[in-house]
Amino acid sequence: AQSVSQHNHHVILSEAASLELGCNYSYGGTVNLFWYVQYPGQHLQLLLKYFSGDPLVKGIKGFEAEFIKSKFSFNLRKPSVQWSDTAEYFCAVNALITGNQFYFGTGTSLTVIP
Amino acid sequence: DTEVTQTPKHLVMGMTNKKSLKCEQHMGHRAMYWYKQKAKKPPELMFVYSYEKLSINESVPSRFSPECPNSSLLNLHLHALQPEDSALYLCASSQDWRQGKAWDTEAFFGQGTRLTVV
Repeated sequence: AQSVSQHNHHVILSEAASLELGCNYSYGGTVNLFWYVQYPGQHLQLLLKYFSGDPLVKGIKGFEAEFIKSKFSFNLRKPSVQWSDTAEYFCAVNALITGNQFYFGTGTSLTVIP
Repeated sequence: DTEVTQTPKHLVMGMTNKKSLKCEQHMGHRAMYWYKQKAKKPPELMFVYSYEKLSINESVPSRFSPECPNSSLLNLHLHALQPEDSALYLCASSQDWRQGKAWDTEAFFGQGTRLTVV
């Protein structure tokens, strides 16, 4: 079955630590990939997106992600996290063979300790 | 304008009530979506409209009835809901895969309607 999986369900880091959140998908063919963030009590916000081209994409707030096609992965990274990065992070996929369908991974809850 | 506007922001309804959630966008998107999100869980796709026609129904119970009256509006009619239907309901829109540059599209999300069924 087609799916999006995020390996880390809950991550706790100290401020200034580096972050890497894993995302793997199982859709075949061309995909568009996204990372969304949801701060406590707020709506989903797009952090970054990959459509084509350079597999290393940079987003807002110092986040970046790398698309590795051979591994069906799109991992999110940040060199130095801040307390304000505490939030839920969702990887999402739009598999173009299925048209307009944005499917989300299970999410990772990040807690940054000051 | 890159906003998706949802009303109301909060809704409390009884199990015998009928209510509607509304969603509006003016970005010229021809794909619109309803998602359901429980606390600490990812959004779950419910319905997709493509050019005002229902294209995907992810086996959602009939007590949820979507409607797309025009290219800017999306409604979700609610009737005889259960307490377990309490959740955040998110609307989103994107370019339809048949619009213009077909593949470079992202979904824009509204702030959601927090629904409580009592």
